Amino acid sequence: GAVVSQHPSRVICKSGTSVKIECRSLDFQATTMFWYRQFPKKSLMLMATSNEGSKATYEQGVEKDKFLINHASLTLSTLTVTSAHPEDSSFYICSAQQGLGYNEQFFGPGTRLTVL
Amino acid sequence: AQSVTQLGSHVSVSEGALVLLRCNYSSSVPPYLFWYVQYPNQGLQLLLKYTTGATLVKGINGFEAEFKKSETSFHLTKPSAHMSDAAEYFCALNTGGFKTIFGAGTRLFVKA
Repeated sequence: GAVVSQHPSRVICKSGTSVKIECRSLDFQATTMFWYRQFPKKSLMLMATSNEGSKATYEQGVEKDKFLINHASLTLSTLTVTSAHPEDSSFYICSAQQGLGYNEQFFGPGTRLTVL
Repeated sequence: AQSVTQLGSHVSVSEGALVLLRCNYSSSVPPYLFWYVQYPNQGLQLLLKYTTGATLVKGINGFEAEFKKSETSFHLTKPSAHMSDAAEYFCALNTGGFKTIFGAGTRLFVKA
């Protein structure tokens, strides 16, 4: 299957700072990328859907000014957590798919964010 | 509205025993259904998927699932559990659009 990478795998930052997480599709062009958040022992919560070259579509309740998503190319999407607070600590997972409409999603390995 | 329900947040089996993880769905249109496995601090790995055609789907690591439209179910099974199967399992649904809906997950414990 296709490979999706995330960087960094773990990050610890101080409250008030911003953190950028990268999601890359390594061997295919991802028309659409998704960002999920997963709380401990919980399921994945979709935060936003991003299409290359256009603004991300955020799910209800997700602050778009806090979680900035950029899908600048067909192989890279970034999630920036701005002015991070301890409650933003979580496991963030991205996924990518080719084409429009339904296609299989390929998941990245996740990024563990800890805000002190 | 579409939804996915996984019955049982925790399932415990002995090594060598049958694994059965239950998933029921609700969808107004024909669904695409998936099972994913997640190991600690890792992303999701696709075990198997049903889109169209044969209702019994075989996946990796000896897992299989059967799509039963009349029961709106897509239960995951494996004849003989292995210690390495211990993980979190997610059932998911897509109805042909962008959004995939995940169930709450079932943690599988395998006892020696």
